[in-house]
Amino acid sequence: QVQLVESGGGVVQPGRSLRLSCAASGFTFSNYGMHWVRQAPGKGLEWVALTYYDGGNKYYAESVKGRFTISRDNSKNTLYLQMNSLRAEDTALYYCAKDRGLAAGPDYWGQGTLVTVSS
Amino acid sequence: DIQMTQSPSSLSASVGDRVTIICQASQDISNYLNWFQQKPGKAPKLLIYDASNLETGVPSRFSGSGSGTNFTFTISSLQPEDIATYYCQQYVHLLTFGPGTKVDI
Repeated sequence: QVQLVESGGGVVQPGRSLRLSCAASGFTFSNYGMHWVRQAPGKGLEWVALTYYDGGNKYYAESVKGRFTISRDNSKNTLYLQMNSLRAEDTALYYCAKDRGLAAGPDYWGQGTLVTVSS
Repeated sequence: DIQMTQSPSSLSASVGDRVTIICQASQDISNYLNWFQQKPGKAPKLLIYDASNLETGVPSRFSGSGSGTNFTFTISSLQPEDIATYYCQQYVHLLTFGPGTKVDI
């Protein structure tokens, strides 16, 4: 069965960096696009970034463009999100999610890792 | 950017009631729409894809319809385990989620 396990969250000061990881199993990771989606405390879902199956195409929400970088290592079945210049408004639970195919949106989700940006 | 709206933002219904949620897109998205259920403290779960297709294993009391800019999500007979927030999401251009509809009993 599909499993997605996020890690790397924590408390970080504004302006600092953090890297999230998502370990995938139960499917052929290199065949699917992957997303990061976040949810601020008590708020709705916000799509953050998408990488295609081979890492060749990457897309970002305007709110994180230029600060966040999505990447993947297909040899390790792992997805990453490098977050730089963090702001208080980046505080959220960050989910990684497997794409259904052809950038049609997520089907399977991890349980999330919490990022808190605070001084 | 494509904006998504949902109505109502919350609703309260009785067990056995028919529940309907409306999702509207700011421009034509054909049928490029998914519906998710999120229970408190849990990750979202895909229920409906491509506007009207039921994801494998999802009970048949859930359904979706619509195309273009107007979409409907229906629970034909509300069950206690359906208490959750429901989100629509477009994927014609990147991804955008609707603001969610909280369903209570």
